[in-house]
Amino acid sequence: DAGVIQSPRHEVTEMGQEVTLRCKPISGHNSLFWYRQTMMRGLELLIYFNNNVPIDDSGMPEDRFSAKMPNASFSTLKIQPSEPRDSAVYFCASSLRVAGVGETQYFGPGTRLLVL
Amino acid sequence: AQTVTQSQPEMSVQEAETVTLSCTYDTSESDYYLFWYKQPPSRQMILVIRQEAYKQQNATENRFSVNFQKAAKSFSLKISDSQLGDAAMYFCAYRSSTQGGSEKLVFGKGTKLTVNP
Repeated sequence: DAGVIQSPRHEVTEMGQEVTLRCKPISGHNSLFWYRQTMMRGLELLIYFNNNVPIDDSGMPEDRFSAKMPNASFSTLKIQPSEPRDSAVYFCASSLRVAGVGETQYFGPGTRLLVL
Repeated sequence: AQTVTQSQPEMSVQEAETVTLSCTYDTSESDYYLFWYKQPPSRQMILVIRQEAYKQQNATENRFSVNFQKAAKSFSLKISDSQLGDAAMYFCAYRSSTQGGSEKLVFGKGTKLTVNP
């Protein structure tokens, strides 16, 4: 079975540019999560969706960040405009939520973003 | 808010020996899950083991086992017969399992495990 798929795996961009990260969750999973990993802050949740609806976006740093999930098999995380402090590894994860309780989250390989 | 603390930034072990990684957490909830994830140099986050708080029996997965002490809010990971491929960052994580509760994983800062040949 295919795991969580993320693209691109690496992204190098210049400050001010728009960055779009993409994620395809595991087929059948109905919850999708975006996490960010930095040396300073460790692993932290940015936003998560259940049945394509955003449930908790309290971790989204500021208005420069936005996330969408137009259907059950695709999500995007967009940064516009990007700044050097956005440099991090961004993980997408998915899980199955049944009867109001979520199961184990499985992570994608991550996107390593460097903003110059 | 829940917090997870890993007090050992780095640990080392000889190949074939046993090592224990520590994790403590703070929560006011009674229903939750605890996890250990492994992150090798490839940066992939790999689930190692999971423990449901309502289960008294400690979870085991092959060479990996946990010591779950609910009253003490402690959740340590024991790796037996350590192998070179076990070298990685290990993250302890908490998640609520309350019906309708947040699905957010709360992570510790991680422990870097080195396995010496």
